[in-house]
Amino acid sequence: DAKTTQPPSMDCAEGRAANLPCNHSTISGNEYVYWYRQIHSQGPQYIIHGLKNNETNEMASLIITEDRKSSTLILPHATLRDTAVYYCIVDNDYKLSFGAGTTVTVRA
Amino acid sequence: GAVVSQHPSWVICKSGTSVKIECRSLDFQATTMFWYRQFPKQSLMLMATSNEGSKATYEQGVEKDKFLINHASLTLSTLTVTSAHPEDSSFYICSARDPIFPETNEKLFFGSGTQLSVL
Repeated sequence: DAKTTQPPSMDCAEGRAANLPCNHSTISGNEYVYWYRQIHSQGPQYIIHGLKNNETNEMASLIITEDRKSSTLILPHATLRDTAVYYCIVDNDYKLSFGAGTTVTVRA
Repeated sequence: GAVVSQHPSWVICKSGTSVKIECRSLDFQATTMFWYRQFPKQSLMLMATSNEGSKATYEQGVEKDKFLINHASLTLSTLTVTSAHPEDSSFYICSARDPIFPETNEKLFFGSGTQLSVL
């Protein structure tokens, strides 16, 4: 059962912000929202995670709606190296279940 | 952050042979590791959970006799694909649980993956 829904793909212009949406309407109170990305033929790379507050780190910002049913990952200044598949995962266990993700293509 | 090393990064083998993939946690003790498989243009699929000193737990549909997992130490888990066939060709990825999460940011550390091609 897919816990999250993401658009299959999106394009972004280099230097612009990329906003990646994720719906998780069945999220429960103790489940975190995680974002990972996978560049072709590499292992997944952790980006950010949050429970209910918005979070920011050196890579991205995570905006979680008040009802926690959706979130948005923001890459503030996309570069060509940000081209990857981005996975939004909702879980409270260590067995992270990966959905189909969003293929983000950053174009010059 | 902590590092998980996976070896080899790619391997080609003949049909019917066995292939071993290693997953090591380099600077922390990993009591639990996970093995994923990824076919081209598909997402990661969890195969099994590897627990140090005990038998692995396999996900539904994954043959435990086909994919042997050994987690004999706190820093090493191995996945052996036995009697490999072309349909076993895939990208295999391991991950290790961060023992002190949520004090740290990363819940799981992932290896760089192993591309297996069975001829």
